[in-house]
Amino acid sequence: EVQLVQSGAEVKEPGESLRISCKGSRYNFNSFWISWVRQMPGKGLEWMGTIDPSNTYTNYRPSFHGHVTIAADESTNTAYLQWTSLEASDTAMYYCARHESGASSSSFDYWGQGTLVAVSS
Amino acid sequence: SFELTQPPSVSVSPGQTAIITCSGDRLGDRFAFWYQQKPGHSPILVIYQDSNRPSGIPERFSGSNSANTATLTISGTQALDEADYYCQAWGAGTAVFGPGTKVTVL
Repeated sequence: EVQLVQSGAEVKEPGESLRISCKGSRYNFNSFWISWVRQMPGKGLEWMGTIDPSNTYTNYRPSFHGHVTIAADESTNTAYLQWTSLEASDTAMYYCARHESGASSSSFDYWGQGTLVAVSS
Repeated sequence: SFELTQPPSVSVSPGQTAIITCSGDRLGDRFAFWYQQKPGHSPILVIYQDSNRPSGIPERFSGSNSANTATLTISGTQALDEADYYCQAWGAGTAVFGPGTKVTVL
């Protein structure tokens, strides 16, 4: 079965950089986009942005653009979400999820298990 | 910007029908998707493209979408259906989630 396996929990201080990962397996990684979704403590799901691993095209929700970077390495079937300077407000669970394309007909059919990021001084 | 609204909570007795609505401007012109999330777990897709069930999702889950409202219906609700449910659609190339509805099975 399709798997998206995310990297482990992180505890960071404000201002630090961070990269979390999402490794896909048991499917053609280049044939599906990967999105990242934030869930702050006790809150709902927020779509952050997406990447097409076949050409590294990215699209971000405006409120996240410039604060995070989404990348992918097709040689390792891995997508990444990275920050150069974390803020306390980045404390959240982060999920990766795959979808067939950027088209409005595509659903998030498989999700990673989530990576908890805690930012505190 | 495109937004989706959902009721914060829905309560249902076991065996009864739970109806969860999702509203957005001309939502019926787009596809609606529904996700179930239980505490401590990742979301799972329960309805795609308005009314289709992925493999493994029980038949008691159904969906519809028309005009400004998409609806997720859980027929014969079971205790294990207690969860948060999120609707989702695409707007201008960005995915939009509703705020979520907590379904409580009393």
